[in-house]
Amino acid sequence: KAGVTQTPRYLIKTRGQQVTLSCSPISGHRSVSWYQQTPGQGLQFLFEYFSETQRNKGNFPGRFSGRQFSNSRSEMNVSTLELGDSALYLCASSWDTGGEKLFFGSGTQLSVL
Amino acid sequence: SQQGEEDPQALSIQEGENATMNCSYKTSINNLQWYRQNSGRGLVHLILIRSNEREKHSGRLRVTLDTSKKSSSLLITASRAADTASYFCATDARGGGNNDMRFGAGTRLTVKP
Repeated sequence: KAGVTQTPRYLIKTRGQQVTLSCSPISGHRSVSWYQQTPGQGLQFLFEYFSETQRNKGNFPGRFSGRQFSNSRSEMNVSTLELGDSALYLCASSWDTGGEKLFFGSGTQLSVL
Repeated sequence: SQQGEEDPQALSIQEGENATMNCSYKTSINNLQWYRQNSGRGLVHLILIRSNEREKHSGRLRVTLDTSKKSSSLLITASRAADTASYFCATDARGGGNNDMRFGAGTRLTVKP
């Protein structure tokens, strides 16, 4: 069974640009969560999707958005990139939103120059 | 914002010794989970303990939960160099203070051969 797949693995952008990150969950998983990880802040929750609906959202500005497709694949978008957006973005999937264990992808390392 | 706080932030031990990491949290929880992360990679689920459980074992891992003190500990016995990683606790407090899984900042464990 394939794990959670995140693409791309590395990304370099400049300030002001926008970026789209992709996440394919484990087959059969309907919940996808996104986290931002930085050395200073640890893992910060971005949002959670279940059956194409955003269930929860963390305390991030509106520049951060996401969506989930009917096949449970998810994308997150960051517009007008800032230097502080440089981070490892992690996607995690699970069967549902019931707080059971999360299966993480390897992440997308975003560097904003 | 983070829910759990791990202690210590960093721990260095010799191979064969036991490693103990602690996690404190703020709100009532449904369950608490421990995850492991190798440098720059995704997190891997280790163990889940529910709020009505006090202790759980999995191989060389032992987790305890004290809901009255809002704290948990992870014990790794007979550590190996391959255990070198960052360890995170995550709390599920849906229906209470939060609606998502919240992670602490992690404990960086180094096991010297």
